[in-house]
Amino acid sequence: KQEVTQIPAALSVPEGENLVLNCSFTDSAIYNLQWFRQDPGKGLTSLLLIQSSQREQTSGRLNASLDKSSGRSTLYIAASQPGDSATYLCARNTDKLIFGTGTRLQVFP
Amino acid sequence: KAGVTQTPRYLIKTRGQQVTLSCSPISGHRSVSWYQQTPGQGLQFLFEYFSETQRNKGNFPGRFSGRQFSNSRSEMNVSTLELGDSALYLCASSLAYSGGGADTQYFGPGTRLTVL
Repeated sequence: KQEVTQIPAALSVPEGENLVLNCSFTDSAIYNLQWFRQDPGKGLTSLLLIQSSQREQTSGRLNASLDKSSGRSTLYIAASQPGDSATYLCARNTDKLIFGTGTRLQVFP
Repeated sequence: KAGVTQTPRYLIKTRGQQVTLSCSPISGHRSVSWYQQTPGQGLQFLFEYFSETQRNKGNFPGRFSGRQFSNSRSEMNVSTLELGDSALYLCASSLAYSGGGADTQYFGPGTRLTVL
């Protein structure tokens, strides 16, 4: 069974901290990986897509890496802000998205 | 460019009824996928349509069905509703010409279905 796990499940940090969210998957086959954020009661917002041939992608304060050999991806958030508070989801992107369990992030002023 | 839109945003139904949800993809996107999100099971894949054909299907009972029209708009239908069908239903669109997950998936705001 393909599984995607995210650690930690919840995180609460003061504004300004640099954060690392982890995503691991059991099947190390070559897949693309996508990171999303979800605000309470809302849909998903795509943050970054890492193609299977890439090792990382950057967008503003966000950097995502992919290590297929270890079955892991990390999302790095620099200089966190209260507006970053949301649930962050990673998903293996094959012919469908297989989602992780999510990390609930709270950034307080 | 307008994003993915879903209607209605909220629905309340009773057990045994049926419901139809609608999704309009981003202009130019030909793939539409549907997902169910519940607190207990998280996000689970329902099915995907590409060029009016169901290309992939998740592990849901036959009460869940869908279709796609020539303009790429998609509908999903749930018949004989059960309490456990209460969830946020999300649709996503992508270009997905390759079908291999090489394209970014863009999600709509979802339809919140409550079954009483």
